[in-house]
Amino acid sequence: QVQLQESGPGLVKPSQTLSLSCTVSGGSFSNTDFFYNWIRQPAGKGLEWIGRLYPGGRIDYSPSLKSRATISVDTSKSQISLRLTSVTAADTAVYFCASRILTPGAFDVWGQGTVVTVSS
Amino acid sequence: QSALTQPASVSGSPGQSITISCTGTSSDVGSDKYVSWYQHHPGKAPKLVIFEANNRPAGVPDRFFGSKSGSSASLTISALQAEDEAYYYCSSHTTSSTYVFGTGTKVTVL
Repeated sequence: QVQLQESGPGLVKPSQTLSLSCTVSGGSFSNTDFFYNWIRQPAGKGLEWIGRLYPGGRIDYSPSLKSRATISVDTSKSQISLRLTSVTAADTAVYFCASRILTPGAFDVWGQGTVVTVSS
Repeated sequence: QSALTQPASVSGSPGQSITISCTGTSSDVGSDKYVSWYQHHPGKAPKLVIFEANNRPAGVPDRFFGSKSGSSASLTISALQAEDEAYYYCSSHTTSSTYVFGTGTKVTVL
């Protein structure tokens, strides 16, 4: 059974770069049917989709974050990474890694999420 | 892209049915079959309860029913139980190959 685990620093200073990793276990990381997403939830607010990595390497981003977000993959480590530049307090959120394993067009496996606070 | 519109809160007594609406546009819900619903208990990972507008993943009770008409989708929970108290979010794929979530609905079991 595929499992996802997010990791990264819990505190980032304003204007710096946020870097997170999502480690995939329990399945074939390079499965051509798997899609990997980053999603976040600011405190007291709803879910926000950040971007998606396709099996062939294509990446789509939310228009509102496209200029600051970069999603990458390290197949040797079975990891998907997120970098978000020039962070502000508005980027304080729980960041989730989620994948589409079995269900078309949906996020059927989620990590537990990691809390990131942007503060000096 | 704007978030899909959901009511902020919905409540019901145990055993009753409730319905949560999700309103989008012709660029998302109105043009795509990939509408999904998630149950989220704070502090935990969200859980998929409906995909492709009206399909349930394995293990999700048939008390959860999804539907879609035009640019709106709905999630109905019948025979409401205490464990159903949570936040619920709809999501839709868009014509720009992105995803958008709803504003979220807090379901309270009275």
